[in-house]
Amino acid sequence: GENVEQHPSTLSVQEGDSAVIKCTYSDSASNYFPWYKQELGKRPQLIIDIRSNVGEKKDQRIAVTLNKTAKHFSLHITETQPEDSAVYFCAAIGNYGQNFVFGPGTRLSVLP
Amino acid sequence: DGGITQSPKYLFRKEGQNVTLSCEQNLNHDAMYWYRQDPGQGLRLIYYSQIVNDFQKGDIAEGYSVSREKKESFPLTVTSAQKNPTAFYLCASSIGGAKPQHFGDGTRLSIL
Repeated sequence: GENVEQHPSTLSVQEGDSAVIKCTYSDSASNYFPWYKQELGKRPQLIIDIRSNVGEKKDQRIAVTLNKTAKHFSLHITETQPEDSAVYFCAAIGNYGQNFVFGPGTRLSVLP
Repeated sequence: DGGITQSPKYLFRKEGQNVTLSCEQNLNHDAMYWYRQDPGQGLRLIYYSQIVNDFQKGDIAEGYSVSREKKESFPLTVTSAQKNPTAFYLCASSIGGAKPQHFGDGTRLSIL
């Protein structure tokens, strides 16, 4: 089955700097890769996603890149703000498209 | 206002007791999911259902049971066989396949 690894597990950046979180997946058949943001005690919320027929997608300060050959995808946050502080999860569609496999999460802290 | 409603927000279980967590959605989604989240950990899949009257075990189904008698409802029962039930439980739904999952606000279960 699918396996998703995520690095780093924690990340601290100064306000205004960029943050990059990387995920690798094992199943070459996976074709959909969402990113979720979870604030403390709250529900995970989708922030951006990418499909395997696209190499990069951008939404304001957030971008995701996908390298199908290497089987990894990355979340890029530019001009970080304190409200970006949260846990970020990547996921890949697995099990013949029936369910997601989530990475273990990255705790991002943006220091003022 | 469409969304996913989980209840209760907090739940306490006594030894040897079964408890049921409610999950209702009015998004007209076919697929529904239950995840367990332990402190500082990622999301682990308990059960999922792609269609009414059908469901499949996820990675950690032991000690849990579900039913899917209606499209909008997917209750999770934590049985007495689950020896370590203390966790944050999240319900999600989606159109199905490689589409975003939408999460409820979660239920926090503790042992008395």
